[in-house]
Amino acid sequence: DAKTTQPPSMDCAEGRAANLPCNHSTISGNEYVYWYRQIHSQGPQYIIHGLKNNETNEMASLIITEDRKSSTLILPHATLRDTAVYYCIVRTQGGSEKLVFGKGTKLTVNP
Amino acid sequence: GAVVSQHPSRVICKSGTSVKIECRSLDFQATTMFWYRQFPKKSLMLMATSNEGSKATYEQGVEKDKFLINHASLTLSTLTVTSAHPEDSSFYICSARHWRDRQETQYFGPGTRLLVL
Repeated sequence: DAKTTQPPSMDCAEGRAANLPCNHSTISGNEYVYWYRQIHSQGPQYIIHGLKNNETNEMASLIITEDRKSSTLILPHATLRDTAVYYCIVRTQGGSEKLVFGKGTKLTVNP
Repeated sequence: GAVVSQHPSRVICKSGTSVKIECRSLDFQATTMFWYRQFPKKSLMLMATSNEGSKATYEQGVEKDKFLINHASLTLSTLTVTSAHPEDSSFYICSARHWRDRQETQYFGPGTRLLVL
């Protein structure tokens, strides 16, 4: 079972920031927060991950609350190509740890 | 990011035949790869973990004799669907475990769509 809770769908206007929330209230101290997205009929694409500090890369920013029980993925200037299902996944690294995909959030970017 | 390829991207076969799908890590070595399947409008379901040089580990309910996995090199894992039936029609996706700066990320292939007639 997925350890995260995400809204099933969200809408965003093109050019605006898209803020995708994720709740992971049972996260353990050694578990990371990973974000992936899947555009229709393609394999998932890695976006970003973090442990406790906020992270930023060329695709997005990840904001993790101080208690680590929730996080927000921010796409600063959403485009139509960002329309996809976004998955928030909590897991440790290495070993036999697996990526367990929940239902994710379907983000629709509107023109 | 690291690149993972799959071949073929799409395959149609007759019921009873076997189909092999290849997963390659193009610019890194992967001792561990994973195989998923995805039905329409559903999320990805992990089928098995492929370990280089050893036997794959299958998830509960996945028939290992039906879905043969071979991970013969650090850049290639193959999934063979044996005696395929229409219910095996699905989107098969692989991923490869990548380590850099002590951080682990899984990178996914583009997927293979299998249609069994």
